[in-house]
Amino acid sequence: TQLLEQSPQFLSIQEGENLTVYCNSSSVFSSLQWYRQEPGEGPVLLVTVVTGGEVKKLKRLTFQFGDARKDSSLHITAAQPGDTGLYLCAESSGNTGKLIFGQGTTLQVKP
Amino acid sequence: GAVVSQHPSWVICKSGTSVKIECRSLDFQATTMFWYRQFPKQSLMLMATSNEGSKATYEQGVEKDKFLINHASLTLSTLTVTSAHPEDSSFYICSAGIYEQYFGPGTRLTVT
Repeated sequence: TQLLEQSPQFLSIQEGENLTVYCNSSSVFSSLQWYRQEPGEGPVLLVTVVTGGEVKKLKRLTFQFGDARKDSSLHITAAQPGDTGLYLCAESSGNTGKLIFGQGTTLQVKP
Repeated sequence: GAVVSQHPSWVICKSGTSVKIECRSLDFQATTMFWYRQFPKQSLMLMATSNEGSKATYEQGVEKDKFLINHASLTLSTLTVTSAHPEDSSFYICSAGIYEQYFGPGTRLTVT
């Protein structure tokens, strides 16, 4: 069974600071997705990474996929209070669409 | 993007009663849907895969007789929590899609 470990689990920072969230696996990812979830809502897809070494940017968010496809990171530059939420990495199991989620990182950005 | 809805958004029921949660794909057909459970400050845990026209596939540790899943049409899956207990109180989320999963807004269940 694929195990996804996210770190840190909780992060509280001031507005304007940078942060990085990590997602590691015990085995190779076929592909990896990052989601953001706000309280009382369902997760929203941020990005999908597929190729080892891939880097994708979404405004102030930078996503990296490790060369060996066993780890990924999410870096947020100049965090804003609107970035507050639960960030989840997830791997799709085969072609079924079934997702296995990491433990999540709760981010709080204080104004 | 595709839209997935859930109903109700929140429900309170008494211990021992059953409650049904609906998941609908509004603008696409879904032969497969997924049900997740999320406890406060925790991640999503996959409960089961709902298959249109056939039995659901449950993850290890999930009681199929307690969490009844029916995928009656290509746009509707229902999750019924039977004989609910306070420990079943949680946030239940469904998803649908093939290349990309679209998540419903979730249903907050509180069992008193």
